[in-house]
Amino acid sequence: DIQMTQSPSTLSASVGDRVTITCRASQSLNSWLAWYQQKAGKAPKLLIYKTSSLESGVPSRFSGSGSGTEFTLTISSLQPDDFATYYCLQYNTYSQWTFGQGTKVEIK
Amino acid sequence: QVQLVESGGGVVQPGRSLRLSCAASGFTFSTYAMHWVRQAPGKGLEWVAVISYDGSSRHYGDSVRGRFTISRDNSKNTLYLQMDSLSADDTAVYYCAKGDWERGLTGYFDYWGQGTLVTVSS
Repeated sequence: DIQMTQSPSTLSASVGDRVTITCRASQSLNSWLAWYQQKAGKAPKLLIYKTSSLESGVPSRFSGSGSGTEFTLTISSLQPDDFATYYCLQYNTYSQWTFGQGTKVEIK
Repeated sequence: QVQLVESGGGVVQPGRSLRLSCAASGFTFSTYAMHWVRQAPGKGLEWVAVISYDGSSRHYGDSVRGRFTISRDNSKNTLYLQMDSLSADDTAVYYCAKGDWERGLTGYFDYWGQGTLVTVSS
């Protein structure tokens, strides 16, 4: 089974800051990684798929990068609406999907 | 627009069963794989199960395999999750989610329902 390690678990930042969240996989994902944003009491929202493809309607301040086993979500300039919890998802296989543990982005 | 609406959640005693439903609209339900994902209170997301577009292939997470059964009725545009032998560890919000790849089994989740809460308690 593929394990995902996401860091940090909590991140304190200010509006305008550049924010980076990392996910590491226990084996190569061949770019099959997505990022989601979740706000309290709501369903997750897709931000990024296939490592770096921006979902339609998602602001361009969100970007994804990486390859193999290490992947990054970057928010170039944090906005008030971005305070939320972020999850990575690996979808490299057809029989198992794995989320990272989540990163809560809090107001500093 | 794509809509996924879960129902069937509630309070159930340990050891009992419950069936969740997810009504889909706004896309050709019969050509997409569908998933269940859950989230225990205050915890992260956990993938539960997937079913292929035609129901011929199903896979489960380790924590539910042998107790939960995913199924679908393409004539009713509805996804199901039969949950048996429930325990307190199954307490969570259960989301249905649509696979992104038409007629494929792998892929990410591009649309989610609003979730339904299942509470296992005596």
